[in-house]
Parts: sequence; C-alpha cells; structure tokens
Amino acid sequence: EPEVTQTPSHQVTQMGQEVILRCVPISNHLYFYWYRQILGQKVEFLVSFYNNEISEKSEIFDDQFSVERPDGSNFTLKIRSTKLEDSAMYFCASSNDGNQPQHFGDGTRLSIL
Amino acid sequence: QKEVEQDPGPLSVPEGAIVSLNCTYSNSAFQYFMWYRQYSRKGPELLMYTYSSGNKEDGRFTAQVDKSSKYISLFIRDSQPSDSATYLCAMSTSNTGNQFYFGTGTSLTVIP
Repeated sequence: EPEVTQTPSHQVTQMGQEVILRCVPISNHLYFYWYRQILGQKVEFLVSFYNNEISEKSEIFDDQFSVERPDGSNFTLKIRSTKLEDSAMYFCASSNDGNQPQHFGDGTRLSIL
Repeated sequence: QKEVEQDPGPLSVPEGAIVSLNCTYSNSAFQYFMWYRQYSRKGPELLMYTYSSGNKEDGRFTAQVDKSSKYISLFIRDSQPSDSATYLCAMSTSNTGNQFYFGTGTSLTVIP
C-alpha cells in the first residue's frame, strides 16, 4: 500500500540553526500538509499546500516557516532560526482530490538544543 | 471556535471487551469525521472516515456520528492486545485542502 515517507526520522539541531524536514507524499495525491505534535499535546495543523501554493495556514505557521515542492515528488518544511519550543514531532500528510482523508507519514522528531 | 474534546484516558480493558471511545466538538460546520490509530513512535494511521451523521462499520470497528449532539464515537468489538494504541479523533469542514482538527487522543491498553 502506498505510504507517505519522511526523512530524517530524528533531527537534532542547535538553537538558531535552520532545518529542512523532507517528505515524499503518496504519488497520485495533490494536497499536502504539515502538522506538528508537541510531546503530550494535540496534533496541530501548520499548513496545507495545493497546486504549488499554500492554501491554508495556521497562526503557528509564521515567517519562521516555509514550505516548498522542489520537484515532482518531494515536499519540504523549512524552519529558520529554530527555538527550543520548536521541538516536536512533525508529520507530513497527503490526500488526493476525491473524498479521501489525509494519510500521514511516521514523522520527524525535531530536537532543538 | 473549532475545539475538539477527547478524554485522554488511559483506558485499560481485558481482551475481548467492547471498547467505546468518544469525542465532542463545538463547531457545527464540521462535516467529515475521522478516527486514527497511533502506535508509539509512528504516525497516525487512518481507521475510519465518515461524512455527516450516521454509522459506519468496518470489521471490528464501528464509527458513529451524531451531529445534533456534536458527538462521535468509535466502538471496537472483540478487542485484541494489538489494538493497544492511542486513538485520535479528527474532523474537518471540507474533504479537500482544509485542516484537520484533532482531539488529544485516548490511550488504550488491551490486557491479554
């Protein structure tokens, strides 16, 4: 069964550095998403992306964050000037344009030191 | 307001028991309702997907949606130790491109 893949599984970064989290969505899907889950808290929506542009974003997704689909298969989340509170699991998800829900990857655990 | 409430548990049941998991919500615009299962160190895995009110059954799992009460449920029959996981409810106002709103998740342990 097709799946969403995310790399790396664990990223450790010094505070203030930039990180790029990578995702390969399911190949025939057209909508892409990033969510995060701080330890012990809810899964929170960050951003959705369709037709090479952001379609919706939450208040969490400020100028520190950006997304890109650099080629036909990858979808990336860039976090600039990382802060301690950016430590979380980051999940990528994708869906097609039919009546189907979002399918999630296994996440990248981001640890900011 | 688009808040989703879910009892975090933990919930512990003996093998073979019927499990009932619930979520309530406040936004009447929600139309799509999902249940995800999340094992430790894994991403959410889709279990059930329903639109509007009603019941949907898939094997040992039954999802119920009561929009008039803003209440959704997931029932697991003949629970197995492999069902031990965190169960997340999620909902959205549209099936394309919109964000999902998640509950906090209920931790379930099925004891052999």
